Amino acid sequence: GESVGLHLPTLSVQEGDNSIINCAYSNSASDYFIWYKQESGKGPQFIIDIRSNMDKRQGQRVTVLLNKTVKHLSLQIAATQPGDSAVYFCAETSYNFNKFYFGSGTKLNVKP
Amino acid sequence: DTEVTQTPKHLVMGMTNKKSLKCEQHMGHRAMYWYKQKAKKPPELMFVYSYEKLSINESVPSRFSPECPNSSLLNLHLHALQPEDSALYLCASSQDASGTDTQYFGPGTRLTVL
Repeated sequence: GESVGLHLPTLSVQEGDNSIINCAYSNSASDYFIWYKQESGKGPQFIIDIRSNMDKRQGQRVTVLLNKTVKHLSLQIAATQPGDSAVYFCAETSYNFNKFYFGSGTKLNVKP
Repeated sequence: DTEVTQTPKHLVMGMTNKKSLKCEQHMGHRAMYWYKQKAKKPPELMFVYSYEKLSINESVPSRFSPECPNSSLLNLHLHALQPEDSALYLCASSQDASGTDTQYFGPGTRLTVL
């Protein structure tokens, strides 16, 4: 979803459930995508990336899916833990852009 | 090691003060960035240094003055700031500034302007 005013879209999940965070990116020329996790009071932390020649990439407990047809990126977190509670930002870029474009962010709340 | 360090962690300054934020990385990265982040918003790019030269200035007011003394260090000099400049200031680095290198962020400096 899109943030409105000062409110971040929030996803609340139960500990142990799987989480899916979505991101609609804006530029069809983007060819590199990154997910960052930002905990309260900290800087963004790299989680996983994917290039446009792939549809799916898996890491440890995380999977990123890319659908270029509808310009959609998602982050799946398996067996969500309280330590996963944070704001998650997607970012898009391209070799020609020379900078990242960040999405508006989604807050993940994990309930114990 | 993917560590970017920033000092100070917190800074409170008046509108007439001059202060500096510091950033350091020892990953051999040749691109370094300053971002500004307001609460509940994504980071906004301010400056990019590539091979110690300023390559991008996102129309940032002149009261913010970046400096890159060497390939490991990045400073942001602050002078005559306004209360609306209060924010989290993030430094990042990447292998180079080609646009598709992963950027690694520091913990940020929380700046309050009174």
